[in-house]
Amino acid sequence: GQQVMQIPQYQHVQEGEDFTTYCNSSTTLSNIQWYKQRPGGHPVFLIQLVKSGEVKKQKRLTFQFGEAKKNSSLHITATQTTDVGTYFCAGRVGNQFYFGTGTSLTVIP
Amino acid sequence: DTAVSQTPKYLVTQMGNDKSIKCEQNLGHDTMYWYKQDSKKFLKIMFSYNNKELIINETVPNRFSPKSPDKAHLNLHINSLELGDSAVYFCASSLFRDPSYNEQFFGPGTRLTVL
Repeated sequence: GQQVMQIPQYQHVQEGEDFTTYCNSSTTLSNIQWYKQRPGGHPVFLIQLVKSGEVKKQKRLTFQFGEAKKNSSLHITATQTTDVGTYFCAGRVGNQFYFGTGTSLTVIP
Repeated sequence: DTAVSQTPKYLVTQMGNDKSIKCEQNLGHDTMYWYKQDSKKFLKIMFSYNNKELIINETVPNRFSPKSPDKAHLNLHINSLELGDSAVYFCASSLFRDPSYNEQFFGPGTRLTVL
């Protein structure tokens, strides 16, 4: 079964609205990575978080790693049409590396 | 210059056939991977090679056989193709061997359709 879950699976937002995707693991993650995949494209690395409670920002994107290192979130402020795509978290659970189930974001102009 | 390239981009074939997908990276990375992305977009690691040595081999049918002639190339050969093999296969590379601590660079993907 899937070890790293993301919610929601799909999200439609009006351009300018905020968006958040949540990544959850039942066990502690050593660190967390985030990738973005545009429709028809390939995953592209966005960021890596390592420390418990870490927060990093990239322009309108804010990434958080939970205190217990079991969850993470990606928040996009004031979405733009260029934000369309599927956002994946990824991390190691035990000896195995997993991508999360992904959240597909649609931005309505 | 494309950092990670894959051929072919599309592959349509009949059940039972054998096919190969090729991958090359010009980033000078030591580690290469194969991923499978199914119709629900679930992305799952299949194999990983570090300097031509197999280091990750997930639960994948033995009809799938990776081959790394050198550290810049990782090919995937699939025997006796089944309908369930239809997916997009991504090659990726990273500088070091642990995917969880390294940025991975993905190729454009190969869309395999088994009829």
